[in-house]
Amino acid sequence: GNSVTQMEGPVTLSEEAFLTINCTYTATGYPSLFWYVQYPGEGLQLLLKATKADDKGSNKGFEATYRKETTSFHLEKGSVQVSDSAVYFCALVGGGTSYGKLTFGQGTILTVHP
Amino acid sequence: NAGVMQNPRHLVRRRGQEARLRCSPMKGHSHVYWYRQLPEEGLKFMVYLQKENIIDESGMPKERFSAEFPKEGPSILRIQQVVRGDSAAYFCASSPTGTSSGDTQYFGPGTRLTVL
Repeated sequence: GNSVTQMEGPVTLSEEAFLTINCTYTATGYPSLFWYVQYPGEGLQLLLKATKADDKGSNKGFEATYRKETTSFHLEKGSVQVSDSAVYFCALVGGGTSYGKLTFGQGTILTVHP
Repeated sequence: NAGVMQNPRHLVRRRGQEARLRCSPMKGHSHVYWYRQLPEEGLKFMVYLQKENIIDESGMPKERFSAEFPKEGPSILRIQQVVRGDSAAYFCASSPTGTSSGDTQYFGPGTRLTVL
């Protein structure tokens, strides 16, 4: 079945540092890929998505490119802010399973210090 | 346009009681999904419903758990005879259609269930 693997956390950075959170996946066919963010005590918010190979999703300075050859969807941001502190989840849908079933990675806790 | 609404936000039950979690999807959305987040873990899919139909319940425990999405009213996730291991955050999501793999699921704020 489908699976998503994220880099181990937690990740701690200083403000304005460069961020990379690695995400790789296993799926058949052509899944759609997502990054969701969860702030403390809240639900998940969609950060960005990509629906086909080589697509780049972007939002609020975050970017991720759908790389089918390496089955990856790494999240990057050039300069993080304290307000980016949250838990980040990589996820996929489709790729051989029902379109309703989002498969999530384990989440990566990001803490940004001033 | 109001987002996905869930209630209650916090629910405390004693072992053996029943828990009912409610989810109202975004306006115009006819597809609802339930996920469970155990402490220190990611979200796990439980069930996918359309109005009056269960589309995929492959993530639902075989006993004590049930879900419905009636023609009128919110979707309900029901847990009978709760045990301590049911303590978790339960999230509902909705989407306008489920036929496209690119459809975004919009999440509610979750219900945090604590079983004493």
